[in-house]
Amino acid sequence: GQNIDQPTEMTATEGAIVQINCTYQTSGFNGLFWYQQHAGEAPTFLSYNVLDGLEEKGRFSSFLSRSKGYSYLLLKELQMKDSASYLCAGARGNYQLIWGAGTKLIIKP
Amino acid sequence: EAGVAQSPRYKIIEKRQSVAFWCNPISGHATLYWYQQILGQGPKLLIQFQNNGVVDDSQLPKDRFSAERLKGVDSTLKIQPAKLEDSAVYLCASSLDITGGYTFGSGTRLTVV
Repeated sequence: GQNIDQPTEMTATEGAIVQINCTYQTSGFNGLFWYQQHAGEAPTFLSYNVLDGLEEKGRFSSFLSRSKGYSYLLLKELQMKDSASYLCAGARGNYQLIWGAGTKLIIKP
Repeated sequence: EAGVAQSPRYKIIEKRQSVAFWCNPISGHATLYWYQQILGQGPKLLIQFQNNGVVDDSQLPKDRFSAERLKGVDSTLKIQPAKLEDSAVYLCASSLDITGGYTFGSGTRLTVV
């Protein structure tokens, strides 16, 4: 079957680090995406991991372990503008993504 | 490059009425998707097109929803008749290849009253 699990909500402090976890079960796995979605807006692409390991892009990093069906998104030096939902999505054949429900991240000053 | 264009931005209709949404993908993106996103949930795929052919419409409620992509460019999604539970944001996305992910349009927020 296809399943993506991530926490519903997390809270962190401005300037701190937060890790958002995602576990997945998808047949024909072809990589793992992270998207950011601000309230009332469309999701925007953050990262794509297809091989095991850590990919770093500025303040954001994404990690994948295919053997464990596990990924995380790491956000450093949190800013108030990082308050958003973070969606994990597993890719499979035919360019399809299987989406998690999203993790709402609340940043407090 | 221009992004994915969607219209209208907002729509309020009464139940049992019909409504149509329009999407123009990024130029050159062969794959186009329509998603339904209910508040607090992840996007749910309604239909996927590859050029003007349907790749997957297994989750499209075909008794009331229809979509087409004539000429393999822009696309329309129609709901007829609408139900209260159709209230959601309808997102259109396009992709060139899997590594670049999807680019989403700004979405249409539909409210059925």
